Amino acid sequence: DAGVTQSPTHLIKTRGQQVTLRCSPKSGHDTVSWYQQALGQGPQFIFQYYEEEERQRGNFPDRFSGHQFPNYSSELNVNALLLGDSALYLCASRLGRDAPKNIQYFGAGTRLSVL
Amino acid sequence: AQSVTQPDIHITVSEGASLELRCNYSYGATPYLFWYVQSPGQGLQLLLKYFSGDTLVQGIKGFEAEFKRSQSSFNLRKPSVHWSDAAEYFCAVGASSTLTFGKGTMLLVSP
Repeated sequence: DAGVTQSPTHLIKTRGQQVTLRCSPKSGHDTVSWYQQALGQGPQFIFQYYEEEERQRGNFPDRFSGHQFPNYSSELNVNALLLGDSALYLCASRLGRDAPKNIQYFGAGTRLSVL
Repeated sequence: AQSVTQPDIHITVSEGASLELRCNYSYGATPYLFWYVQSPGQGLQLLLKYFSGDTLVQGIKGFEAEFKRSQSSFNLRKPSVHWSDAAEYFCAVGASSTLTFGKGTMLLVSP
């Protein structure tokens, strides 16, 4: 049973560019959340997708957007990249949107470097 | 708003010695509390969780944590540390469907 998988593992972009990160949830999971982990910090919640809609959003600008597909996989898009967007981007999946007792499983992340 | 404080950025422990990592939280209701571990190049692995009931919870890899409501704390403990425990540890509080993490504590294990 595959866990949460993310691609690519590493990415280098320049300021102003756009990037798309991808996530496949753990089998049987229908809810995907994205987190940003800057160097030396804990992960920060970006947004959550359930039933192909954004359900909750953290304190991130509109440059951060996402999508969820019918097979529950998800993409994170970041436009007009800034140096400060350099971070590890983590995807987490769970079963059920409003089920806080259902554990979130995390992928290994995508390391984004913006030059 | 909820928040998590991990006061120790780095901790060094000798192999075989006991370990305690501190975590304090701020949350308006009964919190759901978690400890995750992150090894270099890896995602987050859940060590243990507290939802309700017994305030001492057991997790994987010999870790345990104690919930103390009066102190708003959820400290992680292990009686005997192994070199493979060297990693970064994150405490988190869950509300609805999202998690709020602390900044993490890096555990270094000396021989």
